[in-house]
Amino acid sequence: QKEVEQDPGPLSVPEGAIVSLNCTYSNSAFQYFMWYRQYSRKGPELLMYTYSSGNKEDGRFTAQVDKSSKYISLFIRDSQPSDSATYLCAMRGSTLGRLYFGRGTQLTVWP
Amino acid sequence: GAVVSQHPSWVICKSGTSVKIECRSLDFQATTMFWYRQFPKQSLMLMATSNEGSKATYEQGVEKDKFLINHASLTLSTLTVTSAHPEDSSFYICSAPRGAISEQFFGPGTRLTVL
Repeated sequence: QKEVEQDPGPLSVPEGAIVSLNCTYSNSAFQYFMWYRQYSRKGPELLMYTYSSGNKEDGRFTAQVDKSSKYISLFIRDSQPSDSATYLCAMRGSTLGRLYFGRGTQLTVWP
Repeated sequence: GAVVSQHPSWVICKSGTSVKIECRSLDFQATTMFWYRQFPKQSLMLMATSNEGSKATYEQGVEKDKFLINHASLTLSTLTVTSAHPEDSSFYICSAPRGAISEQFFGPGTRLTVL
């Protein structure tokens, strides 16, 4: 079993839709949870960062962590064509620990 | 935000040659940097952790003699792919942590194609 599982998609939605992206994980020691966005042929950029369980909102983006279910989510409201990218979840057990990445979900938002 | 650069952004080389990729933290110092490789439609696979002033730590299954890492200063780490073969063709990305939560900042990546 992989440390982090993420459905690779692809996911295609119309502009304005609410997008839900998810990851599950097996290691209960993970405490730091991140979502990265990666455009084609570019390096990932950090979108959201959450420590332990709970929700975090930043503009159109909301990250949720449910440690009891070992499940994290990223919601994108009012999705835009510019949101079209691959979204990678990542997590680690400590601030200095290595990151474990999901496979990434490819998202296309069409106008 | 912090900036991490990589050079070159892409390289094509013949089988058997060596290729050096540079990773620089432009506005902060990094005692640790990470090297990843990524295949099309796949996630990032950690290859090694580069430590300034000491030997790199390689992940299981990564050949140390093939992927040479040198972290010569607090702002520069290099990855040299020695005797490259077509199966080494991939997208190589570095990252450097910064700040209280060690947020990782990624470089733009280097696409290596070995003919």
